Amino acid sequence: DVKVTQSSRYLVKRTGEKVFLECVQDMDHENMFWYRQDPGLGLRLIYFSYDVKMKEKGDIPEGYSVSREKKERFSLILESASTNQTSMYLCASSPRASGAFFGQGTRLTVV
Amino acid sequence: RKEVEQDPGPFNVPEGATVAFNCTYSNSASQSFFWYRQDCRKEPKLLMSVYSSGNEDGRFTAQLNRASQYISLLIRDSKLSDSATYLCVVDQAGTALIFGKGTTLSVSS
Repeated sequence: DVKVTQSSRYLVKRTGEKVFLECVQDMDHENMFWYRQDPGLGLRLIYFSYDVKMKEKGDIPEGYSVSREKKERFSLILESASTNQTSMYLCASSPRASGAFFGQGTRLTVV
Repeated sequence: RKEVEQDPGPFNVPEGATVAFNCTYSNSASQSFFWYRQDCRKEPKLLMSVYSSGNEDGRFTAQLNRASQYISLLIRDSKLSDSATYLCVVDQAGTALIFGKGTTLSVSS
């Protein structure tokens, strides 16, 4: 079975903190994605990566950055957390041109 | 970025009913199409890919109409356990996966 693991299920951070969300996949997938999911807005793509050290902006990259130094790991960084970044964050991975598999999600609260 | 549109529902149907969801997409360069299922407070899970010729998996049938740029999902003989949100997903020219906002299905006894 494909396994996508996110480092935390729940996080509470203070406004202005730098926040790291980690995601690891064990299936040697080329593509990895970060989404956030909010009620009424669905899943929105923040960043994706189709190869090591490659990254592409999604629909809502402002306030976020990413890092992919190794194929299996894709990190999402909130440079200075703000309350409007309180959300459910979902990481996914996929082979090229194929469906993606999701981690269990990280529910981040910024206070 | 191009959009993926779905009727949010909710669709409320009795057990045993047949229900159909549609989804439209705007990027004609899209190459891959999927339906996902998401249960409350869980991550989305891949239900099935959608192929040009149409495909079936048990009670579920997916169809793609490239000319009209829409995708459909048909669920026959609905079960209580089919209650969930169904997400239409389209790739952006072979890279990013873009999700619709989902259609909520509630199956009652």
